[in-house]
Amino acid sequence: EDQVTQSPEALRLQEGESSSLNCSYTVSGLRGLFWYRQDPGKGPEFLFTLYSAGEEKEKERLKATLTKKESFLHITAPKPEDSATYLCAVQDSGYSTLTFGKGTMLLVSP
Amino acid sequence: DTGVSQDPRHKITKRGQNVTFRCDPISEHNRLYWYRQTLGQGPEFLTYFQNEAQLEKSRLLSDRFSAERPKGSFSTLEIQRTEQGDSAMYLCASSSLAGASYNEQFFGPGTRLTVL
Repeated sequence: EDQVTQSPEALRLQEGESSSLNCSYTVSGLRGLFWYRQDPGKGPEFLFTLYSAGEEKEKERLKATLTKKESFLHITAPKPEDSATYLCAVQDSGYSTLTFGKGTMLLVSP
Repeated sequence: DTGVSQDPRHKITKRGQNVTFRCDPISEHNRLYWYRQTLGQGPEFLTYFQNEAQLEKSRLLSDRFSAERPKGSFSTLEIQRTEQGDSAMYLCASSSLAGASYNEQFFGPGTRLTVL
């Protein structure tokens, strides 16, 4: 059974204070690893898909990396508008569905 | 591209009543997914369609739940004889089998169900 564990559960940063969120996963075969952002009361917003170890993708202040066992979402010089819950999900090879972690709730204070 | 839309956005019902939700995917997206999310948890897969065919259902999906995608466009999710444990956010997502955004699942705003 696929498993996704995200840490920390919650993270509080000062504006400009860079940090990383972790996503550890167990799958029989990884087809893709997905990162989403979710604001309260809204649906998840797609950020990145990573397909192979060593792959990196960037978008504004966010950078996602992937190894064979985990993924990191690096946030550089965050702003208050980056406050949200960040969800990680894996897609097992041979399947189309996603298995999500519980998310990391990020709060960036001005 | 107007994104995935869901209707209604909120539904309050009494235990034992039936409810139906609608999802309109991004046009031309072949695959449509239903997920359920409770507070403090990530979304959990319920079922998905490729065009009009329902290809997979989660073991979480009890017999009270049924989903359809009759013409390969919009989809409906019906819950019969609702229970308080059905209270959750029901999310719909869609994806394409081709193009630059291949395999990326885009989510709608969700339908918040409250069962009293």
